Amino acid sequence: RKEVEQDPGPFNVPEGATVAFNCTYSNSASQSFFWYRQDCRKEPKLLMSVYSSGNEDGRFTAQLNRASQYISLLIRDSKLSDSATYLCVVKWGGKLIFGQGTELSVKP
Amino acid sequence: GAVVSQHPSRVICKSGTSVKIECRSLDFQATTMFWYRQFPKQSLMLMATSNEGSKATYEQGVEKDKFLINHASLTLSTLTVTSAHPEDSSFYICSASPSSGGGYQETQYFGPGTRLLVL
Repeated sequence: RKEVEQDPGPFNVPEGATVAFNCTYSNSASQSFFWYRQDCRKEPKLLMSVYSSGNEDGRFTAQLNRASQYISLLIRDSKLSDSATYLCVVKWGGKLIFGQGTELSVKP
Repeated sequence: GAVVSQHPSRVICKSGTSVKIECRSLDFQATTMFWYRQFPKQSLMLMATSNEGSKATYEQGVEKDKFLINHASLTLSTLTVTSAHPEDSSFYICSASPSSGGGYQETQYFGPGTRLLVL
């Protein structure tokens, strides 16, 4: 079983759509959680950290459920510029463990 | 914000040669740097953790004699792919954490990556 698993994707959505990504992790001792964004042939960039209380940054909302070891990312009113691969990342023992990523393509 | 650079950004080499990739933290000191590898359509896989002044810690399945890591200063770590073969062709990315940071929330800053193509 992979340590971090994500929806396989790709997600193809029209502009303005709401899209949700799901992620599960296997290590219950994981300490912190993130969503990263990776554009084609570029390095990953931190999108947002994820907290148990849930957190929002503009059109992006992240949720964490420690009991079910589940993380989500919701993107509202999607833009063309949101097209990228979204990586669910878990930190444990000082190391970042990446999910395989979910590709999002927003179409006009 | 914190900046991490990598050099070269792209390298093409012949099978059997060695390639050195540099990772530098430009505006902060990093006791710890990390080296990742990413194959097409796959996620980043941690190869090793590079600690300044000590030996690197390699992940399971990563050959330490093939991927030599040196972290000689608080701003520079190097990864040398020795006797490279076509299957080593990949996107190599480093990251660094500020030395002044602490705790589980400390951020890793990623370099722009190095594309290696071994012919």
